[in-house]
This record gives sequence, C-alpha cells and structure tokens, in this order.
Amino acid sequence: DQQVKQNSPSLSVQEGRISILNCDYTNSMFDYFLWYKKYPAEGPTFLISISSIKDKNEDGRFTVFLNKSAKHLSLHIVPSQPGDSAVYFCAAFGSARQLTFGSGTQLTVLP
Amino acid sequence: DTGVSQDPRHKITKRGQNVTFRCDPISEHNRLYWYRQTLGQGPEFLTYFQNEAQLEKSRLLSDRFSAERPKGSFSTLEIQRTEQGDSAMYLCASSPRLRQGVHYTFGSGTRLTVV
Repeated sequence: DQQVKQNSPSLSVQEGRISILNCDYTNSMFDYFLWYKKYPAEGPTFLISISSIKDKNEDGRFTVFLNKSAKHLSLHIVPSQPGDSAVYFCAAFGSARQLTFGSGTQLTVLP
Repeated sequence: DTGVSQDPRHKITKRGQNVTFRCDPISEHNRLYWYRQTLGQGPEFLTYFQNEAQLEKSRLLSDRFSAERPKGSFSTLEIQRTEQGDSAMYLCASSPRLRQGVHYTFGSGTRLTVV
C-alpha cells in the first residue's frame, strides 16, 4: 500500500521554463512533507519542506505547494537549469515519525 | 562535519554469503535510519535507532537481517545467507531529535549485488 505516490516517473522540461513535480498522499496523519533530490550513485539530499499548517513554502528557485483537502503537493522549479536534472522524491512524516517516500520522478532539463 | 559516511560503496557477493555494511552518522545526531532502495522505487524504511536503542523495525527486515548501533555511534547492517532479491542500494541516514523543520541527512549508500 503506497501511501505517497508520484505518478509521473519522468518529466522533461526546457531550460529556463518551469518544472512542476507532483505528489499525492493517502495518509491523513502526515503532517510534514519534504522533497529530496538524488543524483546517480549518491544518496538523496534534502531540498525543501513544508508543514501541514502552511500551503506554500519558497526557497530561491524552489517552491512547494500543499493542498491538504486534495492530499496533494507539488514542487515548482523556476527557472529550470540543466543541473536540476535528477530524481526527485516526495516524502512525508506522520505519527510513525519516520519518512515515507514516493517512487520518484526523473527530471530532465534540456539545454 | 563530513556528513554521513557509508562503507563500502559497492559490494558484490555470491548468494548464500553474509555481508556487513557500516554507517557513520553525523556525530551530534542521535537518530540513525536504514533504508533500502531498489530500481525505480523510492527508499523503503528498514529500521531506526535512537542512540543505541533499536526502536522500530519494518516487516521488510526479515530474520536474515540484523542491525546494531553499539554505544550509539556507528551502526552496522548485516545480511545473512544473501539472496538475489537482496540486491539493492542500502542507505543510511541520521537526524537530530525529530521536530518540525528537521530532515534526514543521507549517506551515499552501499550498492549490493548478489550473484
């Protein structure tokens, strides 16, 4: 039973345009959400997070939006750069206090 | 602070052999986690420690798997009688005490291939 779902395994975007990565969750006990970025042969690195009491959090080119009623969050990257090409994982904390990850979306930013 | 270190980076073993991986967390982090990632999937939780106490184990962690964190510092993950299905990336992460705003810091992982 996948509690965190990333339904798009891949996404290609032109350099300079916006990248939008989506994530859905089923567990209403999740109260803190994170995005991680992963390059090949490396571990995931933390990118940005959002608490369930907020609906938006920005950090430079990265913005995460949370829609609690729809159990949906998204990561916007503007403008996209070739160095952003990586696998992006959505993850969530709930009452179990351990991170539950989605299956990831491979983002490719084309020069 | 050099981050989370994992050793070895790669391990190839024959089916039926035992393997042991090591993780050195960030020194001031009291929580340590083991995850497993297979191709096309996100990391899956295996187990975690708070200091030296193993507080939770996933049902993914069969009795062939054992993890330790003596003295609350480094941790080891041992897999006995390896099977081909054990082939995966094994990731270690650490964090300080969990509260809002805290995230895990991951190591680079150990890639296990069982042949």
